[in-house]
Amino acid sequence: KNQVEQSPQSLIILEGKNCTLQCNYTVSPFSNLRWYKQDTGRGPVSLTIMTFSENTKSNGRYTATLDADTKQSSLHITASQLSDSASYICVVSGGRGSTLGRLYFGRGTQLTVWP
Amino acid sequence: NAGVTQTPKFRILKIGQSMTLQCTQDMNHNYMYWYRQDPGMGLKLIYYSVGAGITDKGEVPNGYNVSRSTTEDFPLRLELAAPSQTSVYFCASSYGTSGTGEQFFGPGTRLTVL
Repeated sequence: KNQVEQSPQSLIILEGKNCTLQCNYTVSPFSNLRWYKQDTGRGPVSLTIMTFSENTKSNGRYTATLDADTKQSSLHITASQLSDSASYICVVSGGRGSTLGRLYFGRGTQLTVWP
Repeated sequence: NAGVTQTPKFRILKIGQSMTLQCTQDMNHNYMYWYRQDPGMGLKLIYYSVGAGITDKGEVPNGYNVSRSTTEDFPLRLELAAPSQTSVYFCASSYGTSGTGEQFFGPGTRLTVL
């Protein structure tokens, strides 16, 4: 069964600290993996998109890594800010056949940054 | 560009009522999608469209209908609202020929059915 699991479910950190969010998936075949940020009451906004040939991709203070062999990804946030408080969603895109273009969503990690 | 816009932002329906959630995008994307997001759960695909005149079911299509008469608009219709349809609904669009391009989401419509 094609699934995307994220951990932890929620996380609280102090402003200025770093954190790492995890994503494991079983989607196969696989096209790309995306990390989205969803602020409360808003739609998801894309942070990074990685294909199976990419190991890492950065977007400012956000760095995503991908290990397509173990089907694991992580999102590292450096020097957290209060505005980083949001839900971070891992999304895997299917590769071909019946899964082509189909997106599989994780439940998200709810990050809270305290001052 | 306004991106993906959705109306209304909030709506309360009584059981059995019907309504249409509107979605418009101005990016000339060929793919459009409707998702629902229940509390603490991942987004689930209701319907999608690969272009004007073409629609297809996603994971959870029961109780919903869609149409795609233009590239820009992709309305979602609820015919007989049920409490199980209480959720936040997101419309999204993407470019490309295979649906693997980045998806851009609207702000969502929060629907409550009482």
